[in-house]
Formats: sequence, C-alpha cells, structure tokens
Amino acid sequence: DAKTTQPNSMESNEEEPVHLPCNHSTISGTDYIHWYRQLPSQGPEYVIHGLTSNVNNRMASLAIAEDRKSSTLILHRATLRDAAVYYCILRDKFQGGSEKLVFGKGMKLTVNP
Amino acid sequence: DAGVIQSPRHEVTEMGQEVTLRCKPISGHDYLFWYRQTMMRGLELLIYFNNNVPIDDSGMPEDRFSAKMPNASFSTLKIQPSEPRDSAVYFCASRLDHSGNTIYFGEGSWLTVV
Repeated sequence: DAKTTQPNSMESNEEEPVHLPCNHSTISGTDYIHWYRQLPSQGPEYVIHGLTSNVNNRMASLAIAEDRKSSTLILHRATLRDAAVYYCILRDKFQGGSEKLVFGKGMKLTVNP
Repeated sequence: DAGVIQSPRHEVTEMGQEVTLRCKPISGHDYLFWYRQTMMRGLELLIYFNNNVPIDDSGMPEDRFSAKMPNASFSTLKIQPSEPRDSAVYFCASRLDHSGNTIYFGEGSWLTVV
C-alpha cells in the first residue's frame, strides 16, 4: 500500500484557517486521497476525499498538488470542535478485491481559544 | 439514522474470561469492518465482511479472536480467552457499496483486561 506522511501534531488558533499537510510521494494513478478525523473518545469520521481535482464540502477543502505527491486539508475557520487526530489515507480506486483502509498514526490538531 | 451501534461501550474483565463485542451496522450497508485501536499500534483493521461473508481476516491477531456476522444487522467479535494485551478500543464500522468510499464508525467498545 502506498504510504502517507503527516506531521505528528499541529497547533492553530480558533477562527483562523488551518492547513494540514500530507505527503504521499508513492501515490499511484488510481489512489484516492481520503481524510478522516477522530475526535476525543469517538470513532473516526469521514471528512473529505479526492482524486485529482481540488474538492470542497461543508467541513473542509482538499487541495491536491498537480503531481499528486502531496495534498493539504484546509479548515477555513478552525473551531474548538475541530481539535482531533486527522488521518490522511490512500485508497486504490479499483481496490483489487481489498477494502482495507489503512489509517496510520495520524496528526493531532490542537485548537487554541 | 441511528448510525453504527456498538455494545458494550465499556467492559472490564479478568484475564482468561471470554469477551463478546457486538455491532449493529447502519441499515442497508453491505460492508462491516472491525478495527482495534491502541496507543502503540494505532488503528488496525482486524476483519471485514461483505454481505455477511468474511472477506479478509488477515488482521485478526491470533486464534483467540473470532468474528461472525449471522445476518445483515448484527456482528460479534469474540475474544476467548482474553489477555491483558487485548486491552484496546474496538471499533465497528460499516459502508454502503458504491457509496463513494465513506466508512461510518461506531463509538467504540473500550475493553480493559486485568
């Protein structure tokens, strides 16, 4: 499985934008980039995913580099509720029969009031 | 929708005892996943089912672990006998096929084996 690399942690201030980086230099052409987050004492929740083009939804934006070797999750105005562990995950579009979603250690985001 | 429902939320048991964790996936979902989370190893996929059939159990740590899905609305993960190193949070998750890849997680079962 192609691997992703994220910083161990980041800090941000409430109501400011936050850019969460993810490197995936061995990404294949059929790998989707997924982001999940895990709030304290909860299960992970889906945030956003994309393949090549930048994506926006009500939670966040996903900016994908032109060579797809990196991506950035953008929270436009961080709130205290955004404090969580964020996981950047690659998942093959065609699966090859496997549905595995490999989470890794993720990146802890702290939001300061 | 009630989401993925897991029980028990918390369990403390003695080493050697049998532990059964239960999961009700979101109605209509085709896939069911069991994950385990520890500080040391992070979030690991143990096993997943498609249409009630186990597809990949390569993540199940050893024979003490077993999982079943007797019908589309219920699954169990059993540990027998339990050991202290099994202490972890166990998450069940489900997904609708062709859903665009979103997996929905339950709130987890927090297991402590003493």
